[in-house]
Amino acid sequence: EVQLVESGGGVVRPGGSLRLSCAASGFTFDDNGMTWVRQVPGKGLEWVSTINWNGGSTAYADSVKGRFTISRDNAKNSLYLQMNSLRAEDTAFYHCARVRYSSGWGPLDPWGQGTLVTVSS
Amino acid sequence: DIQMTQSPSSLSASVGDRVTITCQASQDISNYLNWYQQKPGKAPKLLIYDASNLKTGVPSRFSGSGSGTDFTFTISSLQPEDIATYYCQQYNNLMTFGPGTKVNIK
Repeated sequence: EVQLVESGGGVVRPGGSLRLSCAASGFTFDDNGMTWVRQVPGKGLEWVSTINWNGGSTAYADSVKGRFTISRDNAKNSLYLQMNSLRAEDTAFYHCARVRYSSGWGPLDPWGQGTLVTVSS
Repeated sequence: DIQMTQSPSSLSASVGDRVTITCQASQDISNYLNWYQQKPGKAPKLLIYDASNLKTGVPSRFSGSGSGTDFTFTISSLQPEDIATYYCQQYNNLMTFGPGTKVNIK
């Protein structure tokens, strides 16, 4: 069974940092691009960042560019999101999702349940 | 950036009704359009990919159509378990999600 499990969320002060992890299982991890999508509770979905199969290509939403860094470790079947200079508006559930295609662009399937990041003083 | 709009933002329909949701892109996205279902407290699930392809295992009452800028998502016969919010998503240029359509039972 394909499974994605996020971890690393929590409460952090404005300006602080967090590193999210996504553990993948049930598929050949380096066959696929991976993505982070966030969702403020009760609100819609916002794409955050995408990485291709080997980490050679990454992209970011304007709202996080320069503050967040996506990376992956194919040997560990893991995806990461380093989040720096956090702001109150970054408060959300962060989901990792497998991209169907190796390029990093395509349908997202499946999604992890998400990890909650709360930025508050 | 490509903007996505969806209509309606919410709807109420009876069991067995045909439900249609539209999604419009601010520029041509070819068929790079996917549809997701999200139930309360759950992660989104892919239903339709590349505008009209039904993901394996998804009931055939779900369908999608369109290309370019205008897309349609249809539930041919609404079931109680279809209560959810539905999102469209483009991936022609980065990724953008529509604002979602909340579907309720009348």
